[in-house]
Amino acid sequence: DTGVSQNPRHKITKRGQNVTFRCDPISEHNRLYWYRQTLGQGPEFLTYFQNEAQLEKSRLLSDRFSAERPKGSFSTLEIQRTEQGDSAMYLCASSLDGQELFFGEGSRLTVL
Amino acid sequence: AQSVTQLDSHVSVSEGTPVLLRCNYSSSYSPSLFWYVQHPNKGLQLLLKYTSAATLVKGINGFEAEFKKSETSFHLTKPSAHMSDAAEYFCVVRNFNKFYFGSGTKLNVKP
Repeated sequence: DTGVSQNPRHKITKRGQNVTFRCDPISEHNRLYWYRQTLGQGPEFLTYFQNEAQLEKSRLLSDRFSAERPKGSFSTLEIQRTEQGDSAMYLCASSLDGQELFFGEGSRLTVL
Repeated sequence: AQSVTQLDSHVSVSEGTPVLLRCNYSSSYSPSLFWYVQHPNKGLQLLLKYTSAATLVKGINGFEAEFKKSETSFHLTKPSAHMSDAAEYFCVVRNFNKFYFGSGTKLNVKP
């Protein structure tokens, strides 16, 4: 399967711990997006990359959040000092030149 | 500013009857519009997209959507619902490089 891959699929952590999610996009896609989805809501934009450059960050992305895409391939999303409000599904999507998004199955974070 | 409003949070239909999921958008520019479907514990899947070609767009699994600029709407329809259509549906508008999602409509299909 050459779709978008995310891991881990589920992460349970204690408040104050750091967590990291990884996303492997479709190989020929130059853009990569991170979204956050909470129960009963649509996905909310967090950030996106064109190749290795992070072009935009949402104000939802506090300074505890950082995302990278070294070499323009896979991406990581790190959350430091997690809070209970960070509990959500973190979605990664990739696209070719901003055409339609192809999503992974998401990484669900539960902060206790 | 760009935004998407899905007018119904829940829609319930009987199997074999038509489906209508409503979406209105606001956009400062000529938008690209999409519908995505999310089945439980599955990733979001593209159903169809409008990118300024034909205003009636056909998608997968028998779904269609019509772009109406005068009404700023992009409603999703299907002539006959199937049990497997039960899922959550998201209307999406793209402006420049960002995609804005509606809050979703959960479709329930009764046997």
